[in-house]
Amino acid sequence: DVVMTQFPLSLAVTLGQPASISCRSSESLLYSDGNTYLIWFHQRPGQSPRRLFYKVSNRDSGVPRRFSGSGSGTDFTLNITRVEAEDVGVYYCMQATHWPPAFGQGTKVEIK
Amino acid sequence: QIHLAQSGAEVKKPGASVKISCKTSGYRFKAYGVSWMRQAPGQGPEWMGWISCDDGDTKYAETFQGRVTVTADTPTTTVYMELKSLRSDDTAIYFCARDGMVVDAIGVALDSWGQGTMVTVST
Repeated sequence: DVVMTQFPLSLAVTLGQPASISCRSSESLLYSDGNTYLIWFHQRPGQSPRRLFYKVSNRDSGVPRRFSGSGSGTDFTLNITRVEAEDVGVYYCMQATHWPPAFGQGTKVEIK
Repeated sequence: QIHLAQSGAEVKKPGASVKISCKTSGYRFKAYGVSWMRQAPGQGPEWMGWISCDDGDTKYAETFQGRVTVTADTPTTTVYMELKSLRSDDTAIYFCARDGMVVDAIGVALDSWGQGTMVTVST
């Protein structure tokens, strides 16, 4: 099975400062149809995960533009240009290129 | 709008079974599938299984093969997940989420999630 590894596992950021989360897969996530099925989720305490990006960099409706997703092959990044208080929680990457779908272990973001 | 409403919390004894419902609304039921995930305390989500709401095709993670069954009821647009032979390490929050309609699209969507159902397995 594909293993998804995120780093760092936790991140303390000053409000207004940038944040970056990395996600690495044990195999390339490029599918035979030319797409890369890498998704980013955000989960606030006590809530369900919310999808932020699909196919690496396609932003979901309502996701602020300070968030961006990038990467290819086995290396992916979620960037936040200026962290706001509502951005706290845990961020997960997930791959759906290979069966079974697999999540990273999560990166906890808190405000310093 | 799109909504997935799950049934309430459950407390079960080891060896018992649990069946959780996921009532969907706000979209064409047969145009999508539904995946089930679970999340143990302090852990990331774990994908369990999927059903096509078009033709009832299912696929399960090997970890749960033989213990999990996912079914769909088209008239009520409700999907069910049953997990048998419960153990203490099955204690987790279980989530349903809208997903792709065909096997090749498993995990591609997950764009709308239910609120989660806490299952506690304890003597």
